[in-house]
Amino acid sequence: AQKVTQAQTEISVVEKEDVTLDCVYETRDTTYYLFWYKQPPSGELVFLIRRNSFDEQNEISGRYSWNFQKSTSSFNFTITASQVVDSAVYFCALTYGRAGNMLTFGGGTRLMVKP
Amino acid sequence: DSGVTQTPKHLITATGQRVTLRCSPRSGDLSVYWYQQSLDQGLQFLIQYYNGEERAKGNILERFSAQQFPDLHSELNLSSLELGDSALYFCASSVGFESYEQYFGPGTRLTVT
Repeated sequence: AQKVTQAQTEISVVEKEDVTLDCVYETRDTTYYLFWYKQPPSGELVFLIRRNSFDEQNEISGRYSWNFQKSTSSFNFTITASQVVDSAVYFCALTYGRAGNMLTFGGGTRLMVKP
Repeated sequence: DSGVTQTPKHLITATGQRVTLRCSPRSGDLSVYWYQQSLDQGLQFLIQYYNGEERAKGNILERFSAQQFPDLHSELNLSSLELGDSALYFCASSVGFESYEQYFGPGTRLTVT
């Protein structure tokens, strides 16, 4: 069975702090894809990143960075110098080769960035 | 703006009724997905269509059905509605049918009273 766990249900930080959102996944497939989505208060789901299981390189995009470690089945997301606009619910998701493209989502982490 | 459109934005209806949610994918995308987001179940995959054909099915109730039309828009039909069907229903689209990033529409908030 495929499973994504986001143990942190809610995180609160003060603006300019760095924050890491944890994501742990379970899958028996060797080919799989990991995603992060952002859901701001307006409700839409915004795609942030996709990573395949063969690419363990970390990725940085502006203030966002992602750390993929197959050895610990983790795909963590760090926001550097957080801003109030980063306040949202963040979802980690998984899909695997035989599943077509259906996403299995974690429960989400609500991030609150206070000024 | 993801390019995926969903109508209506909000829908309020009574138990036992039937509703249809509509989705237009991004230009060029052939796959359409439906997801349900509720407080108790979180975000759950319902069904996927690729170029008019059903490709994958998740935890979709028998009272729910979907289809994708030749112009690639999709409709999700929910019938015999129950209070527990109240949720945010998302449509997403992607280029292919495997492992491409999915772009989500703004969602339809369904309230069953």
